[in-house]
Amino acid sequence: DSGVTQTPKHLITATGQRVTLRCSPRSGDLSVYWYQQSLDQGLQFLIHYYNGEERAKGNILERFSAQQFPDLHSELNLSSLELGDSALYFCASSVSGGDGYTFGSGTRLTVV
Amino acid sequence: AQKITQTQPGMFVQEKEAVTLDCTYDTSDPSYGLFWYKQPSSGEMIFLIYQGSYDQQNATEGRYSLNFQKARKSANLVISASQLGDSAMYFCAMREGLQGAQKLVFGQGTRLTINP
Repeated sequence: DSGVTQTPKHLITATGQRVTLRCSPRSGDLSVYWYQQSLDQGLQFLIHYYNGEERAKGNILERFSAQQFPDLHSELNLSSLELGDSALYFCASSVSGGDGYTFGSGTRLTVV
Repeated sequence: AQKITQTQPGMFVQEKEAVTLDCTYDTSDPSYGLFWYKQPSSGEMIFLIYQGSYDQQNATEGRYSLNFQKARKSANLVISASQLGDSAMYFCAMREGLQGAQKLVFGQGTRLTINP
């Protein structure tokens, strides 16, 4: 157990639907990063939150949004899902902006 | 521009042999960190080793060592005495800077297969 908890582990949903992925960072970590891993795009950075504030955005689609709550857990919302959104979504946490990163076990999203 | 390049899509190695996984990087920031992660077939990302740009010595963690050649901008992972359990995808990643947004940028990965 890495200390970073992601739920659910697996998610199957239909095109056009909306899903929410949840991440609880390791105790004491203030930063949460979201990544998307697909076969054709590799590991792509989506967004970074630090202590509730958005710090950086990567290749995140407008249909996707995220937030970090006062208890530091984070949610990634994916809407109007397309087949191409099928991927493994990771969150990672770190103490500050760039010390060791700990990854969760990921959420495997399948859009059918 | 590709910041992390892993030129070996796949590698096959005999058990107990040493293996070197290549990684080159590109950055103009003098402060950066280099990471290696292992991703077995189960999917989780496992941290292996870290090298900071100002570290004078190459990092080592058990059977893992990082061959850091700053002038060549390379950070190759060396696994000594490979084991069947080392079969996995391996990703090199870089963090630029010490302040502000410090995301990791990943290479495309190398799939390592250890043969008995």
